[in-house]
Amino acid sequence: KAGVTQTPRYLIKTRGQQVTLSCSPISGHRSVSWYQQTPGQGLQFLFEYFSETQRNKGNFPGRFSGRQFSNSRSEMNVSTLELGDSALYLCASSLTEASKREFGPGTRLTVL
Amino acid sequence: QQPVQSPQAVILREGEDAVINCSSSKALYSVHWYRQKHGEAPVFLMILLKGGEQMRHEKISASFNEKKQQSSLYLTASQLSYSGTYFCGTIGGSNYKLTFGKGTLLTVNP
Repeated sequence: KAGVTQTPRYLIKTRGQQVTLSCSPISGHRSVSWYQQTPGQGLQFLFEYFSETQRNKGNFPGRFSGRQFSNSRSEMNVSTLELGDSALYLCASSLTEASKREFGPGTRLTVL
Repeated sequence: QQPVQSPQAVILREGEDAVINCSSSKALYSVHWYRQKHGEAPVFLMILLKGGEQMRHEKISASFNEKKQQSSLYLTASQLSYSGTYFCGTIGGSNYKLTFGKGTLLTVNP
């Protein structure tokens, strides 16, 4: 079966701009979660969606937002980009909120 | 709350054993273990459920001590392919948010 796909894979933006990242989960998976990964900080939880509803949110500023569509695809948006937003953004999908996560390859965001 | 992993890094020779620990300050429903190789996405290894049994993935096994809210990952007779960063993730409380520790970098040398 096809895995989790994320687009784009690489992105370069400048401070102040906004960006939208996309995630297509494994077919049949209804839960999608997003993580920010930076060196030394591990995987920081951003938010999780299940059946188009945000179930959990991490400790990130309101500039970070997301949504999930009826086909379970998800997007996350970061507005007014800052240098510190440079990171690998990983999307993970799962059958349910309690089951194992399958991670996508990530989107590498660089903010200049 | 983020689980705490130890050690932060470990270097082994092929064939040696290692233990990675994960502890939480809150009551846990489950513990997840993942391995991430450099430049790749994290890959699922196993889930340990509250009240469940010890799990195994090839020569890697894990246990979950509910009383101490701790989990340990045991790597036996390590292989070069075991190199990578190991993350534990925990689910506890009233929701299913999976929170990861900062990871343990495991390096296996020939």
